Formats: sequence, C-alpha cells, structure tokens
Amino acid sequence: EVQLVESGGGLVQPGRSLRLSCAASGFTFDDYAMHWVRQAPGKGLEWVSGISWNSGSIGYADSVKGRFTISRDNAKNSLYLQMNSLRAEDTALYYCAKPVGDYAVYDAFDIWGQGTMVTVSS
Amino acid sequence: QSVLTQPPSVSAAPGQKVTISCSGSSSNIGNNYVSWYQQLPGTAPKLLIYENNKRPSGIPDRFSGSKSGTSATLGITGLQTGDEADYYCGTWDSSLSAGGVFGGGTKLTVL
Repeated sequence: EVQLVESGGGLVQPGRSLRLSCAASGFTFDDYAMHWVRQAPGKGLEWVSGISWNSGSIGYADSVKGRFTISRDNAKNSLYLQMNSLRAEDTALYYCAKPVGDYAVYDAFDIWGQGTMVTVSS
Repeated sequence: QSVLTQPPSVSAAPGQKVTISCSGSSSNIGNNYVSWYQQLPGTAPKLLIYENNKRPSGIPDRFSGSKSGTSATLGITGLQTGDEADYYCGTWDSSLSAGGVFGGGTKLTVL
C-alpha cells in the first residue's frame, strides 16, 4: 500500500524551530519529487515547498522562503521540512504529498499523508 | 486571498448536477494543467481530477473536469449526500513567485 506518514509536529513558541518528517512506503521514493502542503485551521490549502527526486530542484512559497528548508534522504525513503523562525501564521496541519508522475515536479498530488499539526504560540 | 478564485459555496439536490468554477491567469491556469481535490471533513485531500480532465483509478465518471483559457470547471453529476465536502482546484504558477497554487475552496452542500 502506498503510504505517507508525517511526524514531528507540536506546540512551539514564536521564533523557535521545528523539523517535520514524512516516511514514505509502497512506492519507489527516489523516482518521485515530493512536496509539503499546509492547511491552517478552517482555511484552504497552501503549497509550502517541493523538491525534485534528486534534490536538484527546490522551490518555496514566498511566505516561507528564507525560513523553511526542504530536504530528503532517498536511502531512508524520507522527506523533511526544517522550519525556523516560526510565526503564529505558520500554525497549520502540514501534509506531505506525492506527485502523480515519476520525475515530474509540477504535477497533481495523488497521495497525501494524514498530516502533522504545528501550533505556533507563546 | 488565494491566487485561484472559487465560489465559497454551491448547493444542489441529490441526483442533480453541480459545477464549480476556478479562475486564474495566464501565469497559472493559462499555461499549466489543473487538478481538483475533494476534502471530506477531518480527512486529507483526495485527488479527483488531474491534467484538466483525467480521473485517477477509482474515481467515478460522475466527476469530470474541463479547462478553457484561464478558467477550469469541475462537474459532478448524480449528486450523493456523500459528495458533501470541500473542493479545491490547484495548478502551478510560472510567475516570479513560481510554485503550487490552490483555490480558496468551495463547500458543496447536497440539500
């Protein structure tokens, strides 16, 4: 079964850091780009960041550029999101998502994790 | 304020048809494929349509997608109470702020 499982969320104070992880299984992880998408409570979806299969191409939303860093470890079938200088507006459920096509970065997302909640508050 | 514009809500009776619009610009919908997602309460989004009009396996043909210029439309026929959910359109933006973009979401109520 194709599966994505996020972890690492929690309550953190403004200005602090948090690292999210996404464990992938059931597909050839290093054939696919991967992405993070977040959803603030009661709000819509917001694309956060994406990384190509070989980490050669990386992109960020303007709202997180310079504060968040996406990375992956293909040997461990894992995706990460290092979040620094967190703000209240970063409070959201963070999903990792897999594109439909292998090696395609700019693609629809056919597999989503269950999400991990990040709450930024003092 | 979302990059793509969707109506906040739509409603229709069981068995009827409904359409949900998604409006963008030449830097996003106009030059990229559109996808549609269904999000039931408390669950992760589910892909309904990709590449404007393709359905993943397991998605019934009651769901359809189309695109014209800088707008896209999701159609749902034979509405069921189980279709009550939030629906999001998504695509990619080729502008200076390149990246994924979504609509604000449309709440479908099956009366």
